[in-house]
Amino acid sequence: AQKITQTQPGMFVQEKEAVTLDCTYDTSDPSYGLFWYKQPSSGEMIFLIYQGSYDQQNATEGRYSLNFQKARKSANLVISASQLGDSAMYFCAMRELSSQGGSEKLVFGKGTKLTVNP
Amino acid sequence: GAVVSQHPSWVICKSGTSVKIECRSLDFQATTMFWYRQFPKQSLMLMATSNEGSKATYEQGVEKDKFLINHASLTLSTLTVTSAHPEDSSFYICSADSGTEYQETQYFGPGTRLLVL
Repeated sequence: AQKITQTQPGMFVQEKEAVTLDCTYDTSDPSYGLFWYKQPSSGEMIFLIYQGSYDQQNATEGRYSLNFQKARKSANLVISASQLGDSAMYFCAMRELSSQGGSEKLVFGKGTKLTVNP
Repeated sequence: GAVVSQHPSWVICKSGTSVKIECRSLDFQATTMFWYRQFPKQSLMLMATSNEGSKATYEQGVEKDKFLINHASLTLSTLTVTSAHPEDSSFYICSADSGTEYQETQYFGPGTRLLVL
């Protein structure tokens, strides 16, 4: 079963407007972390924002905020005041607490391609 | 954030040759590094988890003998694509763990584009 679901293959937004990229996740583990990464056409994966399962408040990083709804298992990324440079692929990812200790791998969604129009 | 470098960024090779890709954590020590493969317009696919001083853990379906991983130090992991073939052409990207807890961020290298002729 897919653990991370991004239902929007592509999204369009006008410059200076806000946009929400959807992400839902599936886990039975109480301890997990949710991440959003941006991948421009150059290919590098840029870390944007993190939300922990126990965090009481929604994470914010500059123009990025995460709308975390734990009961619905959703972690949508909100980008405010879109800029042309925001055009890229956006990936939602989840990391669970390893039962064996040590690092646990990230599981990625299929991504959403965001296009910001001038 | 932490910096991860990857070298080379581009490589073109003939079929049958081996290609080595390096992944370095520049300003932190990474006991664990991850190697991903990404086909055009698709998500990242985890190939293997590289642990310093021990054998890599490969994901199901990934050939261990074809994709050799060595994690010789806390700042360097290498992926060697042995006897490369055109179907191995892809974007390979590594990441390094900044810690061992689930809330720790993985930082990614810039990726390596491999083209096998």
